[in-house]
Amino acid sequence: DAGITQSPRHKVTETGTPVTLRCHQTENHRYMYWYRQDPGHGLRLIHYSYGVKDTDKGEVSDGYSVSRSKTEDFLLTLESATSSQTSVYFCAISERSGRYNEQFFGPGTRLTVL
Amino acid sequence: EDQVTQSPEALRLQEGESSSLNCSYTVSGLRGLFWYRQDPGKGPEFLFTLYSAGEEKEKERLKATLTKKESFLHITAPKPEDSATYLCAVQAVLGGGADGLTFGKGTHLIIQP
Repeated sequence: DAGITQSPRHKVTETGTPVTLRCHQTENHRYMYWYRQDPGHGLRLIHYSYGVKDTDKGEVSDGYSVSRSKTEDFLLTLESATSSQTSVYFCAISERSGRYNEQFFGPGTRLTVL
Repeated sequence: EDQVTQSPEALRLQEGESSSLNCSYTVSGLRGLFWYRQDPGKGPEFLFTLYSAGEEKEKERLKATLTKKESFLHITAPKPEDSATYLCAVQAVLGGGADGLTFGKGTHLIIQP
């Protein structure tokens, strides 16, 4: 299994509070991604990183920010959590882009915003 | 905009009863099509990547095929442990050379003993 951990694995928080989710990898892969998974939707890309301090927005980035200060860690921050951000969040990594770019997923973080 | 549609949404089979899952896609230019398996409460597990129409890949009881408009995941003589949600995704080019995946909603497969 790819060495990807996510923390916390479960979190319950209140509307308006800031929340930070962490993705940690031991594979030294260049690319990292944050997705969210909701019933009735496929996994959707929030933000991604193509190197240390190099990040960009995905399909559903509103209300989220990210940071990557070192290769192994990719942080997802909800500046002011809303109930619509209740979801399961997955981090993914890949070694390369283009052909043979397999993305490997972490175990997920279940976030509930009350 | 890339779109991925999976069918059926759910499928219940008897152990040993072979079947196929469908993934139809609309993309401006296919770079890669991915199949993942997801068990409840876990992250997606990579199964296959297909790049060209006519390509096939196999792993145990699973075989993935690709045409210009769709992909099939064939399950031969399934066992209860094959029960899971199967996800299909297409690869898209993003900034910085990164690749994003556009996922379908998945097919929930149940294999009954």
